[in-house]
Amino acid sequence: GNSVTQMEGPVTLSEEAFLTINCTYTATGYPSLFWYVQYPGEGLQLLLKATKADDKGSNKGFEATYRKETTSFHLEKGSVQVSDSAVYFCAPSSKSTFGDGTTLTVKP
Amino acid sequence: SAVISQKPSRDICQRGTSLTIQCQVDSQVTMMFWYRQQPGQSLTLIATANQGSEATYESGFVIDKFPISRPNLTFSTLTVSNMSPEDSSIYLCSVGDRASYTFGSGTRLTVV
Repeated sequence: GNSVTQMEGPVTLSEEAFLTINCTYTATGYPSLFWYVQYPGEGLQLLLKATKADDKGSNKGFEATYRKETTSFHLEKGSVQVSDSAVYFCAPSSKSTFGDGTTLTVKP
Repeated sequence: SAVISQKPSRDICQRGTSLTIQCQVDSQVTMMFWYRQQPGQSLTLIATANQGSEATYESGFVIDKFPISRPNLTFSTLTVSNMSPEDSSIYLCSVGDRASYTFGSGTRLTVV
């Protein structure tokens, strides 16, 4: 089945720093890949997705590229803001598999 | 994408009682799922709610503890039965397919 390994947290950055959260996957076939975000006290929201190899998903300044050769889908943002503080989850299209989540705290 | 209304948003319940969580979707969907998110942890799939038939439970979850209803293609309920403090979690419903999954805002349950 499909599974993901996600970078352990927590991650603490200063505002305007560069962010990378690593995610690698193992899968049968070529699943779609997703990043979800959970802001404090809220439910999960889809942040971005990519449906095939070499696709780049982007939203709110975040980007992730579906790399088949390295089986990765790392989340990046060039300049984080305090409002980006949240828990980020990587997931393949399989409904039952989520990464462990990475808690990001951005300090002013 | 679908819009999900989940309620209650939070509750504090006594040990031994049961709580039913409702999930209403604004459009007909084939696949509905229930997840649990224990404090500081990732999501764990409890079951897939099937319309017109019994839910499909994941390993470690049983119908007696988490009975699920799915009377139509827009609505489902999850009941947490005979609760104990270990059941304190966020419970989320989700709908989706290969393209994307949408989550409800979650029910934060505290059992005392």
